[in-house]
Amino acid sequence: DAMVIQNPRYQVTQFGKPVTLSCSQTLNHNVMYWYQQKSSQAPKLLFHYYDKDFNNEADTPDNFQSRRPNTSFCFLDIRSPGLGDAAMYLCATSRVGATIYNEQFFGPGTRLTVL
Amino acid sequence: AQSVTQPDIHITVSEGASLELRCNYSYGATPYLFWYVQSPGQGLQLLLKYFSGDTLVQGIKGFEAEFKRSQSSFNLRKPSVHWSDAAEYFCAVGQAGTALIFGKGTTLSVSS
Repeated sequence: DAMVIQNPRYQVTQFGKPVTLSCSQTLNHNVMYWYQQKSSQAPKLLFHYYDKDFNNEADTPDNFQSRRPNTSFCFLDIRSPGLGDAAMYLCATSRVGATIYNEQFFGPGTRLTVL
Repeated sequence: AQSVTQPDIHITVSEGASLELRCNYSYGATPYLFWYVQSPGQGLQLLLKYFSGDTLVQGIKGFEAEFKRSQSSFNLRKPSVHWSDAAEYFCAVGQAGTALIFGKGTTLSVSS
């Protein structure tokens, strides 16, 4: 089945130690998103890629970076994680164009713990 | 400003009873509307969506939602709730080329 895969499902890192979260998709969607979801809150968009074009939300901290080496993969890099970065990180994809818009398909998420 | 409001933070429903979760939005134009469900520790699963056409849309797991333009609402309903429906429910709005705007979610508990 076509899907959105996130690895790892659970990640524990130390304060200040860089961490990378991975997302892959078999849907061949042109847009990939990264959301941060803290406990009991709505998902908050960090950034998204429209094909190779990177779109950063205005309030996304500089500590967060992203890479999309190809259509299928997208990475979230947290350069120096702080305690406040502990959250669920959700990857999503959608197929968007001038005349098409499909819903976003979400992966299962990566739960990040910062010690 | 664009926003989504889910007025009920937490709702408890008896198993077998009917359910309605409220969603109101503020958007410049008629947006695309979505309801997602999230079980603990899991990602978001799409329940249903409205793009255009019939304002009553059917989704998975027996859910339906009705778009009311005059009330800027997109309420989610289910005639008979099952214990497995206990989860967090998010309403979201968006348009082509824009990111989704999520409501803060409603937690549904199901009592036996």
